[in-house]
Amino acid sequence: QVLLQESGPRLVKPSETLSLTCTVSGDSFSSGYWSWFRQPPGKGPEWIGYVHFSGDTKYDASLEGRVTISLDTSKHQFSLNLRFVTAADTALYFCTRGGGWLVDVWGKGTTVIVSA
Amino acid sequence: EIVLTQSPGTLSLPPGERATLSCRASQSVGRNYLAWYQQKNGQAPRLLIHGATSRATGIPDRFSGSGSGTDFTLTITRLEPQDFGVYYCHQYAYSPLTFGGGTKVEIK
Repeated sequence: QVLLQESGPRLVKPSETLSLTCTVSGDSFSSGYWSWFRQPPGKGPEWIGYVHFSGDTKYDASLEGRVTISLDTSKHQFSLNLRFVTAADTALYFCTRGGGWLVDVWGKGTTVIVSA
Repeated sequence: EIVLTQSPGTLSLPPGERATLSCRASQSVGRNYLAWYQQKNGQAPRLLIHGATSRATGIPDRFSGSGSGTDFTLTITRLEPQDFGVYYCHQYAYSPLTFGGGTKVEIK
């Protein structure tokens, strides 16, 4: 069974960098798309981007320039860095896995609040 | 970007009734790469349907998906109390991946 677990600071100050890590168990990174989604309070999920097992990345255009998703296969982890955060980045953040672009495994999610 | 519009916003029905949820796409969803998720408060979304019509592993046959192109439907026959939550449609055919605004299902 594949399990994903998000970790990282719950509170980030405006203009700083939001950094989250997803630890993967029960799967290698030999295939698939490893993605981050977020869900602002009271809204639907939003796609942030993915890193393919090959190392290729793709991001939502609205976050391009602020976001980096990377893979560390030796640690069975992938990470999200979102720079220059504002209150609009406050959300429940999920890491996910997909065989293609369809997500088949979600982490439980972690809430990140951007506030001074 | 493909915009997904869901209706109705809220559905309130008693147990045993049939629920019909609609999702309309702003342009055709290629290869019917349309999924339906159920989400309960604070939890991760749960995959119900993918490829517009295929039930995910472990999903009871009370849940069914239909449609193609731009119009899709999720039907829940014989609603059960545990079916409450917000249901989202999601297209994974084109980047950026997008979700609808959700339909909240309440069990009377």
